[in-house]
Amino acid sequence: DTGVSQDPRHKITKRGQNVTFRCDPISEHNRLYWYRQTLGQGPEFLTYFQNEAQLEKSRLLSDRFSAERPKGSFSTLEIQRTEQGDSAMYLCASSLGGTPEAFFGQGTRLTVV
Amino acid sequence: GEDVEQSLFLSVREGDSSVINCTYTDSSSTYLYWYKQEPGAGLQLLTYIFSNMDMKQDQRLTVLLNKKDKHLSLRIADTQTGDSAIYFCAESPSGGYNKLIFGAGTRLAVHP
Repeated sequence: DTGVSQDPRHKITKRGQNVTFRCDPISEHNRLYWYRQTLGQGPEFLTYFQNEAQLEKSRLLSDRFSAERPKGSFSTLEIQRTEQGDSAMYLCASSLGGTPEAFFGQGTRLTVV
Repeated sequence: GEDVEQSLFLSVREGDSSVINCTYTDSSSTYLYWYKQEPGAGLQLLTYIFSNMDMKQDQRLTVLLNKKDKHLSLRIADTQTGDSAIYFCAESPSGGYNKLIFGAGTRLAVHP
């Protein structure tokens, strides 16, 4: 068990470009979450998957954001037409249904220039 | 509504105890959590407490929960320089899964 893995760790992109991040959860975990963390703040919930179904999306997840978990294993988070305000740490977490522990990856730090 | 508040900064001397406090608003939260974040890293789950408990101890960590006042605290005994980090309190609103609502974090600085 290698924990939650996120790729890339850092991404610098120009405003207007599209970016995609990947999250590999702990292998037996059926629940997967995306959070966003800006400087000096705690993580904010973006979206939640149970297996391949996306069951909740935050108001923070604008139309430019889309997340998928096609086979109920890894997940991708895509941001289209990036804006400077999208600069943040994007964190993925996973958990096993019926258990309270949620484990986080190391995050992907996005900088939009 | 859902809101979690923490003091922003705590400074302690090495070897002393640290107490980090948190208040939350959702009385139906089933679990309350403490996470630790070191610079540039993700969040490490330290401990959690079920809402029908009032205390949980795990080695140097003691969690106290006052459900009536919606107050949570984390005590770190014999604080070490390696404990310097940001500590986040989080609540898990009722809903059947682990969506977490985080506070802004308390930066703990440990000095000799």
